Amino acid sequence: KNQVEQSPQSLIILEGKNCTLQCNYTVSPFSNLRWYKQDTGRGPVSLTIMTFSENTKSNGRYTATLDADTKQSSLHITASQLSDSASYICVVSGRDGNQFYFGTGTSLTVIP
Amino acid sequence: NAGVTQTPKFQVLKTGQSMTLQCAQDMNHNSMYWYRQDPGMGLRLIYYSASEGTTDKGEVPNGYNVSRLNKREFSLRLESAAPSQTSVYFCAISPGWSYEQYFGPGTRLTVT
Repeated sequence: KNQVEQSPQSLIILEGKNCTLQCNYTVSPFSNLRWYKQDTGRGPVSLTIMTFSENTKSNGRYTATLDADTKQSSLHITASQLSDSASYICVVSGRDGNQFYFGTGTSLTVIP
Repeated sequence: NAGVTQTPKFQVLKTGQSMTLQCAQDMNHNSMYWYRQDPGMGLRLIYYSASEGTTDKGEVPNGYNVSRLNKREFSLRLESAAPSQTSVYFCAISPGWSYEQYFGPGTRLTVT
């Protein structure tokens, strides 16, 4: 069964600290993996999208890594800011057609 | 969430009532999607339209119908609302399946 699991479920960090969010998936065949940021009460916004041939991709203070062999991805946030408080969602799309598999997200809270 | 508009933002229905959620885009993308998001669950695809004039079922289509009125607009209809359809509904667009998706701001629906 195609699944996407994210950990931790929730995380609280101090402003200025770094953190890493994890995404493990079983989707096969695999096309691409996306990370989205969803602020409370708003729609998800794309942070990165990586194909199976890409190992890392950055978007400002956000860096995503992908290991297609172990089916793992991580999102690293550097020097966190209060505005980083949001839910971060990992989405994997399969190569077999019109399917996106969504993780349930990691809720990040950054405190002063 | 620029480029994708959804109406209404909030709606309360009684069981058995019907309503239509509207989605419109100004980015000229071919593909449009309807998702629902429930607490503790990832986004789930209800219906999608790969291009104008076509619609297909997603993961959870029961109780819903859709219309791709033209390239800009994709509506979701609940013919007889049930409490299980209480959720936040998101419309999304993309140039195609392999590309980034852009989400609207969402419609929060409560069925009593």
